[in-house]
Amino acid sequence: DAGITQSPRHKVTETGTPVTLRCHQTENHRYMYWYRQDPGHGLRLIHYSYGVKDTDKGEVSDGYSVSRSKTEDFLLTLESATSSQTSVYFCAISAQSPGEQYFGPGTRLTVT
Amino acid sequence: GENVEQHPSTLSVQEGDSAVIKCTYSDSASNYFPWYKQELGKRPQLIIDIRSNVGEKKDQRIAVTLNKTAKHFSLHITETQPEDSAVYFCAASPIGGAGSYQLTFGKGTKLSVIP
Repeated sequence: DAGITQSPRHKVTETGTPVTLRCHQTENHRYMYWYRQDPGHGLRLIHYSYGVKDTDKGEVSDGYSVSRSKTEDFLLTLESATSSQTSVYFCAISAQSPGEQYFGPGTRLTVT
Repeated sequence: GENVEQHPSTLSVQEGDSAVIKCTYSDSASNYFPWYKQELGKRPQLIIDIRSNVGEKKDQRIAVTLNKTAKHFSLHITETQPEDSAVYFCAASPIGGAGSYQLTFGKGTKLSVIP
């Protein structure tokens, strides 16, 4: 597996609380992505980054924000978590666009 | 934006038989079409991809075909084995211009290979 980690791997939080998920890579890849995976919906892009401080919205960006201050880290923040944001979140990295995306191990988030 | 439809949603085959999964896409500007395999509880992993200047690509028991005119592409797995059991996702991405950095995924096909 490519050098990509996600933290935390599991999290349970309450509705209305802020949550930040971290994606860390050691591959020095330019592109980073956040997806959510839900049964019946496949993988849906939340936000992506094409360089330090360069980010853009994906298909399901409402309620999420991202930041990328260093090449190796891409943070996903839920400003005020809702039950509809209960999901498995995957980070992915890519050296070129479009090109092979390597996925992290995922974070299972439960909002109660 | 791009829309990718994937069929069937579930597929059961006998070990040794072939499996075919089909996807259609809407954006004629899409030029990159990867396929990912996801085993239960694991992360998606690329198994094969194809770019629009190629009509077919093979890698051992796996092949992908692309028909740009009809805007559809297919994954073919021959001589299926129990370890091929997984969920398979197709995706499409335009090269250049708006959306060039994005992959749009199909909803997945759960393949079960029966020993």
